[in-house]
Amino acid sequence: DIVMTQSPDSLAVSLGERATINCKSSQSVLYSSQNKNYLAWYQQKPGQPPKLLIYWASTRESGVPDRFSGSGSGTDFTLTISSLQAEDVAVYYCQQHYSTPPITFGQGTRLEIK
Amino acid sequence: EVQLVESGGNLVQPGGSLRLSCAASGFTFTNYWMHWLRQAPGKGLEWVSRINTDGTSTTYADSVKGRFTISRDNAKNTLYLQMNSLRVEDTAVYYCTRSGSLEWLFYRHWGQGTLVTVSS
Repeated sequence: DIVMTQSPDSLAVSLGERATINCKSSQSVLYSSQNKNYLAWYQQKPGQPPKLLIYWASTRESGVPDRFSGSGSGTDFTLTISSLQAEDVAVYYCQQHYSTPPITFGQGTRLEIK
Repeated sequence: EVQLVESGGNLVQPGGSLRLSCAASGFTFTNYWMHWLRQAPGKGLEWVSRINTDGTSTTYADSVKGRFTISRDNAKNTLYLQMNSLRVEDTAVYYCTRSGSLEWLFYRHWGQGTLVTVSS
């Protein structure tokens, strides 16, 4: 199974500042023949189901604000929020779908306002 | 509008059984793989099971293999999860989701979830 490890576990950032969340996979999730990383990012607010933000490591889902961006390849990935807004307080998860089953998620990163 | 509505969650004793349902609408049900995922209270996301478009292929997490059975009724646009031999550690909100295959195996649409509590 591919193990996904996020860092940090929690993060406090001031409004308007940059937030960076990291995700590392135990093996590469790059599908070489398509040059796509099978890595997605989700945002989950309390009492709500997760919301897809980013897929293929860097493709922003329709309707997601452009302050959210994803980067990385192979085993190391980053979700960046360029200018933190109050509504971005949430738990963020990465997910791999390169080697399934099982589909696996990171443990989550809790983002708060400093 | 895509809608996924889970039902069937309840309080059940250890060793008991429960069947969850997910009513799908707003899209062509037969075009999508369907999944169950779960989230224990205060914990992260765990993939539980997946079924392909015509129901001929299913996969399970090791934690539920042999106890849970995923199925679908394409005539009724409904996904099911039969849960037997329930354990305390199965307590979670269970989400129904849909995906494409392979490169599209991520989750754009989620239900609101149904709570399963296993306790004596």
